[in-house]
Amino acid sequence: GQNIDQPTEMTATEGAIVQINCTYQTSGFNGLFWYQQHAGEAPTFLSYNVLDGLEEKGRFSSFLSRSKGYSYLLLKELQMKDSASYLCAVRSNYQLIWGAGTKLIIKP
Amino acid sequence: DTAVSQTPKYLVTQMGNDKSIKCEQNLGHDTMYWYKQDSKKFLKIMFSYNNKELIINETVPNRFSPKSPDKAHLNLHINSLELGDSAVYFCASSQEFSGYEQYFGPGTRLTVT
Repeated sequence: GQNIDQPTEMTATEGAIVQINCTYQTSGFNGLFWYQQHAGEAPTFLSYNVLDGLEEKGRFSSFLSRSKGYSYLLLKELQMKDSASYLCAVRSNYQLIWGAGTKLIIKP
Repeated sequence: DTAVSQTPKYLVTQMGNDKSIKCEQNLGHDTMYWYKQDSKKFLKIMFSYNNKELIINETVPNRFSPKSPDKAHLNLHINSLELGDSAVYFCASSQEFSGYEQYFGPGTRLTVT
């Protein structure tokens, strides 16, 4: 079967760093996406990894290890506006398989 | 300039009714999608259209039917609405099938009473 696992919820403090993990088991792999979704809004694209390693984009970085079926999204210098759900999605055999998302709560 | 737009934003209707949700994208993308997000926030793909051809049809009830009059539009028609259809429906588009990035519309919150 095809499966993507993420923690359901995480809590972090404003100004801190948080890492959101995603593990996947899919029949094929053509890339991994991270999306952000604020409550009541549409998902928006954050990052895309197809090769192993770290991709940095401002305060957000995404890491991929294909051999381990593992990715993480790293958020630095957390701001209150980062409170949202973070969705991991894997492109497998030309389908996009979505995780259930991780709700990130930022506390002052 | 809205990239992906949906109408209506909110839809409240009674069981048994038939309703449609419209979606338009002005990005020139080749592929469009419909997603359902239920109360548990799990995003589930329903349909994809590439160049006016259905290329994914997940195991959704046949009461749901996508209609694409042209590459920029993908409408969702739902017959005989049921309570379990209550959810947020998102339209999205990408340059190619499951391509690099999907752009989502604002969503349509459907409530069936």
